[in-house]
Amino acid sequence: DTGVSQNPRHKITKRGQNVTFRCDPISEHNRLYWYRQTLGQGPEFLTYFQNEAQLEKSRLLSDRFSAERPKGSFSTLEIQRTEQGDSAMYLCASSRDSKQYFGPGTRLTVT
Amino acid sequence: QQPVQSPQAVILREGEDAVINCSSSKALYSVHWYRQKHGEAPVFLMILLKGGEQKGHEKISASFNEKKQQSSLYLTASQLSYSGTYFCGTDQSDDKIIFGKGTRLHILP
Repeated sequence: DTGVSQNPRHKITKRGQNVTFRCDPISEHNRLYWYRQTLGQGPEFLTYFQNEAQLEKSRLLSDRFSAERPKGSFSTLEIQRTEQGDSAMYLCASSRDSKQYFGPGTRLTVT
Repeated sequence: QQPVQSPQAVILREGEDAVINCSSSKALYSVHWYRQKHGEAPVFLMILLKGGEQKGHEKISASFNEKKQQSSLYLTASQLSYSGTYFCGTDQSDDKIIFGKGTRLHILP
């Protein structure tokens, strides 16, 4: 099994720009999750998909964040009009049978 | 409904044992344990489903008391490789995991 992969691994952007991250889950994992992690904190749930359906989105998530999972395979997370507070590690995880496996993450720095 | 982990940090000498606790105010479907090393992604250790089971993974095991909504992670005869931050995550209905703030574990040689 190849693991969960995420691209890019690092992204530096200026405030106000849009960014998009990609996650490729472990094949045949039907669920895909997005988390955000800041220094010294645990991963914070953002949203998750079962196949192509987005089943839940965190109430704390701004409307500037959107995620898709077309055809139930890879997923993208877009942040529009980035703010400095969006700087964090964005983690993707995929699961089957409730066990979630994380990708290496995309570290976003907003300047 | 973030679970509460204790202690926040532990320093051990190699070979010593440690216990990390995780408690929730909500009824739980499952508890998940992960270890994260600096600059890396969290690594899955184990999942415990409601039913009060105990599971083991090498010298790391965990228990889940469904009635008290508590879980404990036991690290026996700790090794240097056990250093890192341990997160518990709780799941109320087999959908998403809510993670605690973590317990930093440092093992001294």
